[in-house]
Amino acid sequence: DTAVSQTPKYLVTQMGNDKSIKCEQNLGHDTMYWYKQDSKKFLKIMFSYNNKELIINETVPNRFSPKSPDKAHLNLHINSLELGDSAVYFCASSQDLRFRGVNTEAFFGQGTRLTVV
Amino acid sequence: SQQGEEDPQALSIQEGENATMNCSYKTSINNLQWYRQNSGRGLVHLILIRSNEREKHSGRLRVTLDTSKKSSSLLITASRAADTASYFCATVPVNSGYSTLTFGKGTMLLVSP
Repeated sequence: DTAVSQTPKYLVTQMGNDKSIKCEQNLGHDTMYWYKQDSKKFLKIMFSYNNKELIINETVPNRFSPKSPDKAHLNLHINSLELGDSAVYFCASSQDLRFRGVNTEAFFGQGTRLTVV
Repeated sequence: SQQGEEDPQALSIQEGENATMNCSYKTSINNLQWYRQNSGRGLVHLILIRSNEREKHSGRLRVTLDTSKKSSSLLITASRAADTASYFCATVPVNSGYSTLTFGKGTMLLVSP
């Protein structure tokens, strides 16, 4: 069974469209994340949720809206897509780093390659 | 803000050689982790070293941590072509609020047969 799964793997869409990426983890983790990896492979944290509650919201345009219906799911909805949104988006999960930071690793999904044309 | 910086950005070696990658970070940390990313795939956790540890081994991997210099190194011994990937360090910073994993820019390792 895949620990962290995200869909779709590839997404090609036109500027101005709205799209969603879904993520699910079956590891029983408290915390889920969205990272954006640009063309230079730099991984930047976008959002972090703990038990369905948003705890980290880095400087991300408000066109990006995460939603966590339960602690096993964290979806990412993007409105009015722009060319600069093209990147690979990774979902990840871990135990709550506040309390278990000493021994906590993150598990990543396979990524969603978003191409905006 | 970016926490870790890997060095070198790219490394090309022959099979059987050792590969050393370095990571520097800026703030105090709980732990430092190394991840591998194969082309087109997600990141996979390799090894975690706590802030009170200086060295850790796992198979062909050896990680060192120098908190006074805020730096870490990852050594892969007897490299194989299958080790070709990008390697990232990630830190869990110590702060008063919520924590997250902050990644460096990565080192791209190419191991030629």
